[in-house]
Amino acid sequence: GEEVAQTPKHLVRGEGQKAKLYCAPIKGHSYVFWYQQVLKNEFKFLISFQNENVFDETGMPKERFSAKCLPNSPCSLEIQATKLEDSAVYFCASSQSSRGGYTFGSGTRLTVV
Amino acid sequence: DAKTTQPNSMESNEEEPVHLPCNHSTISGTDYIHWYRQLPSQGPEYVIHGLTSNVNNRMASLAIAEDRKSSTLILHRATLRDAAVYYCILRAANYGQNFVFGPGTRLSVLP
Repeated sequence: GEEVAQTPKHLVRGEGQKAKLYCAPIKGHSYVFWYQQVLKNEFKFLISFQNENVFDETGMPKERFSAKCLPNSPCSLEIQATKLEDSAVYFCASSQSSRGGYTFGSGTRLTVV
Repeated sequence: DAKTTQPNSMESNEEEPVHLPCNHSTISGTDYIHWYRQLPSQGPEYVIHGLTSNVNNRMASLAIAEDRKSSTLILHRATLRDAAVYYCILRAANYGQNFVFGPGTRLSVLP
């Protein structure tokens, strides 16, 4: 389809619990990106993939965050032992090439209580 | 990463044109200028992008200065649905290069 599908829309976790977010990119798009939006306008880049390979992971807090994009499966972003400051909206985007734009999903709102 | 600066907020009346400015004085020759907008409770939405020439699409027009150090997103007739945060972003031509978002311009449209 022509949309990036993110699930779930909302996720609530107690501090210390695991959270797993999913993203199905647009078919044919080779690049997948994850962003975290904490305050209303502030986006933080987390990680990007080219097909199933990590392309850039400079934004990832590596101790607790991990991500995968495996063939024939949705991409995933996993947070082990969530903390209160992980509460944010997590956006996934996919892109076909450098000349075009991204298509973003509608996000997963993670609330850590 | 080359940075962009935009006004924090702007206001427009419905059905009037809106010109949203963006300065990017450190742009490099291969950087594309992208505009996205984020409506409330939604993910960012692609609006338009360009390299050197002005661009038009069904949503908006992009006017790029001759020296490429600034650009203007033009909404020809603002509607209430255009109220959003608009982001001007430079993207390097490398495949897969991630975007660096600034704080954007919050556009309010008055009925």
